[in-house]
Amino acid sequence: GENVEQHPSTLSVQEGDSAVIKCTYSDSASNYFPWYKQELGKRPQLIIDIRSNVGEKKDQRIAVTLNKTAKHFSLHITETQPEDSAVYFCAASGGTYKYIFGTGTRLKVLA
Amino acid sequence: DGGITQSPKYLFRKEGQNVTLSCEQNLNHDAMYWYRQDPGQGLRLIYYSQIVNDFQKGDIAEGYSVSREKKESFPLTVTSAQKNPTAFYLCASSISGFGSNEQFFGPGTRLTVL
Repeated sequence: GENVEQHPSTLSVQEGDSAVIKCTYSDSASNYFPWYKQELGKRPQLIIDIRSNVGEKKDQRIAVTLNKTAKHFSLHITETQPEDSAVYFCAASGGTYKYIFGTGTRLKVLA
Repeated sequence: DGGITQSPKYLFRKEGQNVTLSCEQNLNHDAMYWYRQDPGQGLRLIYYSQIVNDFQKGDIAEGYSVSREKKESFPLTVTSAQKNPTAFYLCASSISGFGSNEQFFGPGTRLTVL
């Protein structure tokens, strides 16, 4: 069935360093790839998304890259700050209502 | 905050009881969704509704029921048939259930079975 694999499950970086989270999807019909940030006990919030007609998208310190051939997409956070500490979820959607979510990455930014 | 709300924030249930979780949105969104979140796992879809008076089962619908009588509201009932209901429940909405659109999440309800 459809699935999204997300790695790593936990990631610790020093403040100021970069963090990269990777996802792989199985459904070749997927064309929308959002990334959500969820702080402890809070709701997931969209931080960036990319559609399949674009290979890269950047918003300040956050960027997402998409490799459709390999069915990979990645989240890149540069100059990490303590407030970036959270759980990050990737998802893939194939043009319908349905998101398939990854299992999440717990990012810890060490001051 | 605002736009999509859930209540209560915390809910305790005795085994054998049904409970209903509330979800309301004022975003004029057509589509609404219920997800279950367990520790170390992603979000799993319970039910979704693309328009009023219509809803469909998601991946883990057993033991749950929903209604969509109003555009703004999509309550979820956790029945006694749900064997392991302790979890964090998230409601979401999107402008349309057709095509890929951002989903906006509510603050969640944490359900604990005593």
